[in-house]
Amino acid sequence: GAGVSQSPSNKVTEKGKDVELRCDPISGHTALYWYRQSLGQGLEFLIYFQGNSAPDKSGLPSDRFSAERTGGSVSTLTIQRTQQEDSAVYLCASSSEGRYTFKQFFGPGTRLTVL
Amino acid sequence: EDQVTQSPEALRLQEGESSSLNCSYTVSGLRGLFWYRQDPGKGPEFLFTLYSAGEEKEKERLKATLTKKESFLHITAPKPEDSATYLCAVQAKAAQKLVFGQGTRLTINP
Repeated sequence: GAGVSQSPSNKVTEKGKDVELRCDPISGHTALYWYRQSLGQGLEFLIYFQGNSAPDKSGLPSDRFSAERTGGSVSTLTIQRTQQEDSAVYLCASSSEGRYTFKQFFGPGTRLTVL
Repeated sequence: EDQVTQSPEALRLQEGESSSLNCSYTVSGLRGLFWYRQDPGKGPEFLFTLYSAGEEKEKERLKATLTKKESFLHITAPKPEDSATYLCAVQAKAAQKLVFGQGTRLTINP
């Protein structure tokens, strides 16, 4: 079956504009995660969805960042009024529920550049 | 706060030269420790999950081991195609998120 897909693969925007990043998880995976990977930084957790609800939003860096998930499937990460420090690769991952198996499968990422 | 430290930051080996990558961690109750491989421009690719001290897992030239404070990724007789960044992450029992280390960039020269 298909893996996690993300779109667009690259996004260049101007400072102050809003952007939307999309994630399609593996079919049947109930859990979905967003991470950010910046130069010189490791992967940083942003938000976790279980179904359509987000029990852990602790990694969102500011209120300019928001995310939603609909139909227990596709998720959109929105960044409002983008800043240059938002430039990074945004990675989405999904996993299935299981007592011991929590491995997360990652998509290829969206590279965001804010000019 | 859960924390992961990987060493070295970068490692260059000759083809066939075995070595180990280190991942030290502190976590409030470990649910699992994960190893991923990441190639340039791609998302991380899952390699292993380890759940308890003493556990070992193998895949081709890679073997991962776990103690209460650290994990090692041993690479035996590596080939140039093993060149990648190797990421270590922990998941706490009370959380779903992964906490990642900075990674080790491994280069295998032919």
